[in-house]
Amino acid sequence: GNSVTQMEGPVTLSEEAFLTINCTYTATGYPSLFWYVQYPGEGLQLLLKATKADDKGSNKGFEATYRKETTSFHLEKGSVQVSDSAVYFCALTAYGNNRLAFGKGNQVVVIP
Amino acid sequence: DTAVSQTPKYLVTQMGNDKSIKCEQNLGHDTMYWYKQDSKKFLKIMFSYNNKELIINETVPNRFSPKSPDKAHLNLHINSLELGDSAVYFCASSQGDLGRASGYTFGSGTRLTVV
Repeated sequence: GNSVTQMEGPVTLSEEAFLTINCTYTATGYPSLFWYVQYPGEGLQLLLKATKADDKGSNKGFEATYRKETTSFHLEKGSVQVSDSAVYFCALTAYGNNRLAFGKGNQVVVIP
Repeated sequence: DTAVSQTPKYLVTQMGNDKSIKCEQNLGHDTMYWYKQDSKKFLKIMFSYNNKELIINETVPNRFSPKSPDKAHLNLHINSLELGDSAVYFCASSQGDLGRASGYTFGSGTRLTVV
């Protein structure tokens, strides 16, 4: 089946630090990959996406590259702000299956 | 205008009660979903409707019954509420096969607390 694995545990870092959140996937065929963000008390917002190998999704300073050879879609940001504190979810949909499957999410806390 | 709107935003109710959550989307999408987010933030799909037809029905107690009167609306009715039903419920929508590549649009969630 299709599944997404995110690194365990919350991420706490200082303002202007470099952020990486790891995401790997298992899927049949060629999935589309997404990162969603959930700010405190809010719903999920699409942060970025990539639909084929080597595509790079980017938005608000965040980037992720679709790596088919390592089945990964790691999220990065070069300099985080306090306002980036949120829960980040990696997700995928696969061809012939329009079901969006989520990883467990990572709580990111940015300290001033 | 809110693209996917859910009501109510908060719902506190006693065990054994029956309650409904409503969802409406104004994006012209043909597919709608209900997701449940537990206390650990894990998101799990419950149901999906495409043009008013049920296409995904995960292993969910039959106390949960979705209803889609038209493709812009998807409601969730829950009978005989239990403590374990406490969670945040998200409605989402997408446009057919495009949803596979463009992702879903989510509502802001309904926080259900059963006491």
